[in-house]
Amino acid sequence: KAGVTQTPRYLIKTRGQQVTLSCSPISGHRSVSWYQQTPGQGLQFLFEYFSETQRNKGNFPGRFSGRQFSNSRSEMNVSTLELGDSALYLCASSSGLAGGTQETQYFGPGTRLLVL
Amino acid sequence: GQSLEQPSEVTAVEGAIVQINCTYQTSGFYGLSWYQQHDGGAPTFLSYNALDGLEETGRFSSFLSRSDSYGYLLLQELQMKDSASYFCAVRFSGGYNKLIFGAGTRLAVHP
Repeated sequence: KAGVTQTPRYLIKTRGQQVTLSCSPISGHRSVSWYQQTPGQGLQFLFEYFSETQRNKGNFPGRFSGRQFSNSRSEMNVSTLELGDSALYLCASSSGLAGGTQETQYFGPGTRLLVL
Repeated sequence: GQSLEQPSEVTAVEGAIVQINCTYQTSGFYGLSWYQQHDGGAPTFLSYNALDGLEETGRFSSFLSRSDSYGYLLLQELQMKDSASYFCAVRFSGGYNKLIFGAGTRLAVHP
């Protein structure tokens, strides 16, 4: 099985711009979660999508949004970029069927976003 | 609130044993996971504890004590390739696939 893929891998934007990142989960997986990773804050949960519905949300401002398509691919969008949005954005996929019980998440390589 | 604490750095030599601790505070809890991340790489799943006790997977073992809100990852027969960051993560009841991660422990293995 192919792993989780994320595009683009690297991105440079300027303050005020918006950006869209894409994540393709492992085939058959219906859950996609997004995380922001920074050196100071570690991995911070953004949101999770399952069957095209946002199932859970972290504590990020409304500038961060996402969606999921019928083929389970997911996008996240950040509008009005700020310098502090520079980070590695990781998505993780899982089957999503285990509910609250343990389910391994498989991470993609991430998109490294630099905001100038 | 929900928070996890783990040491920021640990140093050890090849062949040694190292333990990385993780304490958490939560009002609801399903289990404790451990992930490994090499520099420039993606986090990869190592182990999961839903119940108290020790889980062993090759050179790696993970332990959980729910009553103490505490867990650890034990790495034996350390190899240079084990140099990486290790994250504990908690899934809370009702959180589906929302994982709360610790800040990570950077393990440096020296010859």
